[in-house]
Amino acid sequence: DTGVSQNPRHKITKRGQNVTFRCDPISEHNRLYWYRQTLGQGPEFLTYFQNEAQLEKSRLLSDRFSAERPKGSFSTLEIQRTEQGDSAMYLCASSLGGTSGNTIYFGEGSWLTVV
Amino acid sequence: DAKTTQPNSMESNEEEPVHLPCNHSTISGTDYIHWYRQLPSQGPEYVIHGLTSNVNNRMASLAIAEDRKSSTLILHRATLRDAAVYYCISGTASKLTFGTGTRLQVTL
Repeated sequence: DTGVSQNPRHKITKRGQNVTFRCDPISEHNRLYWYRQTLGQGPEFLTYFQNEAQLEKSRLLSDRFSAERPKGSFSTLEIQRTEQGDSAMYLCASSLGGTSGNTIYFGEGSWLTVV
Repeated sequence: DAKTTQPNSMESNEEEPVHLPCNHSTISGTDYIHWYRQLPSQGPEYVIHGLTSNVNNRMASLAIAEDRKSSTLILHRATLRDAAVYYCISGTASKLTFGTGTRLQVTL
């Protein structure tokens, strides 16, 4: 399978703990995106990378959230001191170039439940 | 990003065509129109995208109004596997902004 891969698929954590999600984009895709989705809502943009550079961050990405893409390949999204409101599905996506004429491919998502 | 408006839900019978409308009256001249769909507990799946001309692929057809203020996703023969939330998006070069989409129900 050469699609976008996300791990872990499911994570249950206690409030206050840190969690980290990993995303492996489609090979050679230089853009990588993180979205968050809560029940009944469409995905919300969090941030995106062009190669290793983080070019845009949503105001939804509070100080407790940090994303990295150290070598321009895989990416990690870390949430520190988790809160119950962080419970959501975290989606990773990748594309070759910008979205105007290119297709963004999404992974299956990582479900986070904060108890 | 241009705001899109879609009906909250639609129903179709299996084997019949489905026309899913979308309004994007504030779309800019360089924004593409993208359609994605999402099955329960899965990530969004690309369906089709276009700029000005109508587009066809193995999944669907996209009909774009001449003034580009609206578009219609056409599923030629709906199946039960097409039941999903369909998102119409007109995005910038940096990201896609999703709305709440149209929930399509397909019945026998």
